[in-house]
Amino acid sequence: GENVEQHPSTLSVQEGDSAVIKCTYSDSASNYFPWYKQELGKRPQLIIDIRSNVGEKKDQRIAVTLNKTAKHFSLHITETQPEDSAVYFCAASWGAGGGNKLTFGTGTQLKVEL
Amino acid sequence: EAQVTQNPRYLITVTGKKLTVTCSQNMNHEYMSWYRQDPGLGLRQIYYSMNVEVTDKGDVPEGYKVSRKEKRNFPLILESPSPNQTSLYFCASSQRRGSGEKLFFGSGTQLSVL
Repeated sequence: GENVEQHPSTLSVQEGDSAVIKCTYSDSASNYFPWYKQELGKRPQLIIDIRSNVGEKKDQRIAVTLNKTAKHFSLHITETQPEDSAVYFCAASWGAGGGNKLTFGTGTQLKVEL
Repeated sequence: EAQVTQNPRYLITVTGKKLTVTCSQNMNHEYMSWYRQDPGLGLRQIYYSMNVEVTDKGDVPEGYKVSRKEKRNFPLILESPSPNQTSLYFCASSQRRGSGEKLFFGSGTQLSVL
């Protein structure tokens, strides 16, 4: 089955700096890569996603890049703000015959310091 | 309001006492799933359902049961809970099965088994 590794497990940045979280996946058949943000005590919520036919996607201060050859994808947050402090999960999935089976990474605790 | 509703929010029980965590969605979603979240392990899938009367095991199904008698409801049953099932549980749903579908999460159930 799919295996997703996520690094780092914790990340501390100064407000205004950029943050990068990296994930690798094992199954070359994976074709969908979402990122979920979980604020303290809240449910995970989708913030951005990318499909395997696209190399990069951007939404305001967040962007995701995908390297299919190397089987890794990354989340980039620019001009970080205190409200970006949360746990971020990457995930990978493929749909052929397996339903919507998402495999999540182990999460990155991002702390944005004032 | 479109939502996934889980109950209870918090539950403390003792080893061996059967319990059910309810999950209901009002979005007419076909796909529903249960995850458990543990520190350092991320979100791991327990069971999923692609439609009424169609359920399948996820990555960590041991000790759990599910049923999908109606499209909107997907309860998680622990027939004989053990301390290693102490965890934060999330129900989630998406419109259809297949890769690329956004997951909507419930608010979570914090379970403690003594």
